[in-house]
Amino acid sequence: EVQLLESGGGLVQPGGSLRLSCVASGFTFSSYAMNWVRQAPGKGLEWVSGISGRGDRTYSADSVKGRFTTSRDSSTNTLFLQMNSLRAEDTAVYYCASGQGYCPNGICPGDYWGQGTLVTVSS
Amino acid sequence: QSALTQPASVSGSPGQSITISCTGTSSDVGGYNYVSWYRQHPGTAPKLLISDVSHRPSGVSNRFSGSKSGNTASLTISGLQAEDEADYYCSSYTRSTSVIFGGGTKLTVL
Repeated sequence: EVQLLESGGGLVQPGGSLRLSCVASGFTFSSYAMNWVRQAPGKGLEWVSGISGRGDRTYSADSVKGRFTTSRDSSTNTLFLQMNSLRAEDTAVYYCASGQGYCPNGICPGDYWGQGTLVTVSS
Repeated sequence: QSALTQPASVSGSPGQSITISCTGTSSDVGGYNYVSWYRQHPGTAPKLLISDVSHRPSGVSNRFSGSKSGNTASLTISGLQAEDEADYYCSSYTRSTSVIFGGGTKLTVL
């Protein structure tokens, strides 16, 4: 059974940092590009970032460029999102999602999604 | 970059068909055949329904179909069922090597 399990969310002050993790199981993690997608409370979905299967290429939305870093560790089947200089508008549920094979760079969110982890940026 | 444009809400009766539109630009929907559709029930993660404009992943009901004309993609749900009541989102790969989502459409099954 495929599972993606996010963790690391919580309450953080504006300007602070947080590191999210997403542990994958049930599929060949290194064969898939992976993505982060977020959803602010009561709002729609927003693609945040993507990373290639080998971890050598990353892509980010303009809204997080220079502040968020995406990485992965194939030895532990874990995807990471390092979030720095957090702002109130970063408050959202963050989902990790596998990438679609035919989509360029695999950054189109695909079949596998985690349950999400809530990040709240507030003083 | 603004979100793709979807109607805020649509409704239909059980057994009927409905179509949700998703309008973008030549830099996203119109320029690539990488439009996806997702369904999201309250409090749960999104589920992929359609990829690559019209491809249905394994296990997705053939009641769901996708198409595209110019800068507008469409999702059609036939034989509406109560379980189809949810939020629906489109997304597209973009020229900027990113992904953009639509604002979402709330489907009500009357």
